[in-house]
Amino acid sequence: GAVVSQHPSWVICKSGTSVKIECRSLDFQATTMFWYRQFPKQSLMLMATSNEGSKATYEQGVEKDKFLINHASLTLSTLTVTSAHPEDSSFYICSARAGQGYQPQHFGDGTRLSIL
Amino acid sequence: DAKTTQPTSMDCAEGRAANLPCNHSTISGNEYVYWYRQIHSQGPQYIIHGLKNNETNEMASLIITEDRKSSTLILPHATLRDTAVYYCIVRVAGTSGNTPLVFGKGTRLSVIA
Repeated sequence: GAVVSQHPSWVICKSGTSVKIECRSLDFQATTMFWYRQFPKQSLMLMATSNEGSKATYEQGVEKDKFLINHASLTLSTLTVTSAHPEDSSFYICSARAGQGYQPQHFGDGTRLSIL
Repeated sequence: DAKTTQPTSMDCAEGRAANLPCNHSTISGNEYVYWYRQIHSQGPQYIIHGLKNNETNEMASLIITEDRKSSTLILPHATLRDTAVYYCIVRVAGTSGNTPLVFGKGTRLSVIA
C-alpha cells in the first residue's frame, strides 16, 4: 500500500519551455503533498508543501512564480516549471503521507528534468 | 526538528549485517526517528520508523537507545542491492500530517561482494 506515482520519469526540453510534472497517490488520499529537488551528489531539498484546495507553501529561496503547484484533488498534485532554463535541470521528487501525522512519507520515483 | 549526525560512508561485506548509526542527541519526546534509503536515480524508499521501542520489519531492525539520543539501523544480511544512501531523519509527528521530512546528507553504504 501507500504508493506514490510520478509522471513523467524523465523529460528533455528546450530552454523557455514550461514542463508539468504529475504526482498521484494511488491507493490513499493525501491532503498534503511535498515537492523536493535534488541536484547531483546532493541531498533532497524541500521546495514546497502542497495543500489540497489551497495555495502551496514555498520554502525560502524557491520562486513561486517559477514553480507553480496545483493540488486540485486529494490524489493529484502537479508541479509546473515555467519558462525552464538549464539551471532548472534537476531531479524532482514528490511525496505524500497516508494517514496520521506519525505515519511515514512515501515518495515517487522522481522526474529527471534536463533543459537544453 | 532535531538534527541528526551520520557517518558519511560505510562498507559492509555481502551477507553480513550492516549496522548504520545515527546520533540525534537533541531529540525531543514527541519526535519519531525515520529511516529511508535512496538507490541511485530513484526516489527515497521508506525502511522503518520508531518512537521509543525497538522495531523490526521485513527490511530491517531499528534499535533506539533508552535515552533516545541515538539509534542504529540494522540490515541483517546485506546484499549488493542494499548499496544506497541511508537517511536517518527525526521529525515531530503532529496530527495534521503536513510536516515534511527534512533530509541531511545520509550515509553512503557500499555492500562489497
